[in-house]
Amino acid sequence: QSALTQPRSVSGSPGQSVTISCAGTSSDVGGYKYVSWNQQHPGKAPKLVIYDVTKRPSGVPDRFSGSKSGNTASLTISGLQAEDEADYYCCSYAGSYTWVFGGGTKLTVL
Amino acid sequence: QVQLVQSGAEVQKPGASVNVSCKASGYTFTNYALHWVRQAPGQGLEWMGWINPGNGDTKYSQKFQGRVTVTRDTSANTAYMVLSSLRSEDTAVYFCALAAPNDAFDSWGQGTMVTVS
Repeated sequence: QSALTQPRSVSGSPGQSVTISCAGTSSDVGGYKYVSWNQQHPGKAPKLVIYDVTKRPSGVPDRFSGSKSGNTASLTISGLQAEDEADYYCCSYAGSYTWVFGGGTKLTVL
Repeated sequence: QVQLVQSGAEVQKPGASVNVSCKASGYTFTNYALHWVRQAPGQGLEWMGWINPGNGDTKYSQKFQGRVTVTRDTSANTAYMVLSSLRSEDTAVYFCALAAPNDAFDSWGQGTMVTVS
């Protein structure tokens, strides 16, 4: 299982939108609807922000949205806020009861 | 509410084993899967394996197959992860994560720092 491919970093100004991509293969991202995104602030445990490609857990603002096209999933954060600055990790089911994470993307709010 | 409380930091020598525990509360322990994920210093998240606490079934990442064992004690609502034959590259924070209610990595423990030196 190879890690999913994410950009190392993205940035945006407050109020803008940013999109983080997560590239996999037909054996993981492209083959299942089980893509999730976790947000991690420095020194903290990760927090789930998107699951099943497009769904938001209770309490997550609707500024966070997810999508998928082929073997690539995306996380879009609209109306950027300072507290959105964090690392973001995608994760996909990879078959045979295994999962794989992306390498992570550092989001900087300028 | 759901809580996952992990055991404290560990320092182990190369070649030794480490046992990290994850005590669950706030839900029915046997109903939902628990995953183990690690994060080396300055690096990303890495999935290690998971357990079905209801029947004890496990599945491990190929990378850790043969070195990792995940078990559970249903009477104590606790899952355990043992990693053996430790090497310096195993220095990392180890997390447990609950796959409920959304069957994703919904809730996370606070993490356990394991240092191999």
